[in-house]
Amino acid sequence: AQTVTQSQPEMSVQEAETVTLSCTYDTSESDYYLFWYKQPPSRQMILVIRQEAYKQQNATENRFSVNFQKAAKSFSLKISDSQLGDAAMYFCAYRSAPSNFGNEKLTFGTGTRLTIIP
Amino acid sequence: GAGVSQSPSNKVTEKGKDVELRCDPISGHTALYWYRQSLGQGLEFLIYFQGNSAPDKSGLPSDRFSAERTGGSVSTLTIQRTQQEDSAVYLCASSIDDQFGEQYFGPGTRLTVT
Repeated sequence: AQTVTQSQPEMSVQEAETVTLSCTYDTSESDYYLFWYKQPPSRQMILVIRQEAYKQQNATENRFSVNFQKAAKSFSLKISDSQLGDAAMYFCAYRSAPSNFGNEKLTFGTGTRLTIIP
Repeated sequence: GAGVSQSPSNKVTEKGKDVELRCDPISGHTALYWYRQSLGQGLEFLIYFQGNSAPDKSGLPSDRFSAERTGGSVSTLTIQRTQQEDSAVYLCASSIDDQFGEQYFGPGTRLTVT
């Protein structure tokens, strides 16, 4: 079974600064997908960024980028120019490649609560 | 367009009562997932539907938990004889069946068992 570990329960960053959230995972699979989700107080999970394991290039989405180290099984999220609206819980998630049943479930880490300091 | 909706938003029930939680996925999404989020924890997978079938129900914690999906659309998660440890936020997600299968989440139902 796959596991996802987020070792930082809480992080804080000054507005406009850069912060990196850590995530490691354990798997014996070679083909999989990794995700970062954001959960604000409204409880709505929002996809921030995804990474396909077969792609060496790190994914980027505007101010959000990842550092994907497949051999080390590490998948960190970097948020540049932090904004007050970035304050939320951030979850790292793993998903196996599609099977005969279709797409697989997500396996989540325990989350990192990010606080933005004005 | 409309996203995933869940009802009720909040539910308080007495220990031993049965509860039903409802999920309306995005129209056309063939896959539907239920997750549970306990206080301070990540999301825990419960069950996955492809159409009306449940090929993966490995996350259901006990036989008090069941779920069904009808018409390839609405899903109901039922918890019988609720216990205090069932208190959590229950989240539903849906996706289409493409390579990425991006899951779109609803706002969840907060269940409190007193």
